[in-house]
Amino acid sequence: EVQLVESGGGLVQPGRSLRLSCTASGFTFDDYAVHWVRQVPGKGLEWVSGISWNGGTIAYADSVRGRFTISRDNAKNSLYLQMNSLRAEDTALYYCVKDRMIAVAGVLEDWGQGTLVTVSS
Amino acid sequence: SSELTQDPAVSVALGQTVRITCQGDSLRRYYANWCQQKPGQAPVLVIFGKDNRPSGIPDRFSGSSSGNTASLTITGAQAEDEADYYCTSRDSSGNLVIFGGGTKVTVL
Repeated sequence: EVQLVESGGGLVQPGRSLRLSCTASGFTFDDYAVHWVRQVPGKGLEWVSGISWNGGTIAYADSVRGRFTISRDNAKNSLYLQMNSLRAEDTALYYCVKDRMIAVAGVLEDWGQGTLVTVSS
Repeated sequence: SSELTQDPAVSVALGQTVRITCQGDSLRRYYANWCQQKPGQAPVLVIFGKDNRPSGIPDRFSGSSSGNTASLTITGAQAEDEADYYCTSRDSSGNLVIFGGGTKVTVL
């Protein structure tokens, strides 16, 4: 069974940093691209960033480019999101998502349960 | 264009057929994929590519595409199909992933 478990969320002040982690199990992690997708409670889904199977291709939404950094450690079956210069509008539930492909294709097949990030003073 | 447009809400009578549409210029080049999200739950992929269902998704869900419009059809809607449905695809550059705004399906 595919499992994706996010951690690292919490309350953080505007302008500060936070690092999210996602631990994967139940599949061969380095056979797939993975993504971060966020959702403001009660609102729609927003893709944040994706990384290919070996980290060779990385993409970011315009709203986070230059502030967020995605990375993965295949030896640890883990995905990360370093979030700097956080803003109130970054407040959301952040999902770790497995793609069906090795590339950043956007076929979002398996989802974690999410970790909540709240940016507030 | 980097936008996918969906109707905010649609309703369907129990056992009837409902079609949910997603419009965007990038859909002329890339297939749409569809996710279902029920309240308090993580999304679930229901259709990907031309018309493919992940394992465990009932065959009453189907996908189609024409021009700049992709559609998700639920044939014989069930009460458990009441949910928000999101289309997703790549943007016109092919480098980014984009979501539609979501369609809330109510089964009457």
